[in-house]
Amino acid sequence: EVQLVESGGVVVQPGGSLRLSCAASGFIFDDYMLHWVRHAPGKGLEWVSLISWNGDITYYSDFVKGRFTISRDNSQNSLYLHMTSLRTEDTALYYCAKGLSSSGWGGYDYWGQGTQVTVSS
Amino acid sequence: DIQMTQSPSSLSASVGDRVTIACRAGQSISRYLNWYQHKPGKAPKLLIYGASTVQSGVPSRFSGSGSGTDFTLTISRLQPEDFATYYCQQSYSPPHTFGQGTKLDIK
Repeated sequence: EVQLVESGGVVVQPGGSLRLSCAASGFIFDDYMLHWVRHAPGKGLEWVSLISWNGDITYYSDFVKGRFTISRDNSQNSLYLHMTSLRTEDTALYYCAKGLSSSGWGGYDYWGQGTQVTVSS
Repeated sequence: DIQMTQSPSSLSASVGDRVTIACRAGQSISRYLNWYQHKPGKAPKLLIYGASTVQSGVPSRFSGSGSGTDFTLTISRLQPEDFATYYCQQSYSPPHTFGQGTKLDIK
């Protein structure tokens, strides 16, 4: 059974930093592209970042570019999101998601339950 | 970035109705279009990928069509469990933008 379990979400002050983790199991981890998606209160789903199967290719939304860094450890079946210079507008439930393939084809077939990040003074 | 626009933003319907949600991409995305269902307190669920391929385990009342810039999601006979928010997403090129969502509620 495929499982994705996020952790690391907390309340943090504006300007602070945080690292989210996503522990994966039930599939061949290094065969797939992985993603972070967030859902802010009262808003829609917002794509945040993706990383290729081997970590060589990464992309970010304009909202987080230069502040967030996605990474993965294929030996630990883990995905990470290092978040810096946090803003109140980064407050959201952060999901990790598995791509259906190693490319962009097919969308995201498995999602974690999310970890809540709250940026507030 | 490729902008995705859904319509309508909200929709009221009854059990048994047929509903259609539209999604338009700001440029051609071939068939790299996915549809998700999202319920409060739950993770999003992939319904349709590649514009028209129904994900394993998804009921056959869900269907998708389109290519290029214009796409639709159709639910043929609404069931009580279908009331949720629906999102389209392009995965043609990063950022993999989502539409703004369509909230489907009970009339």
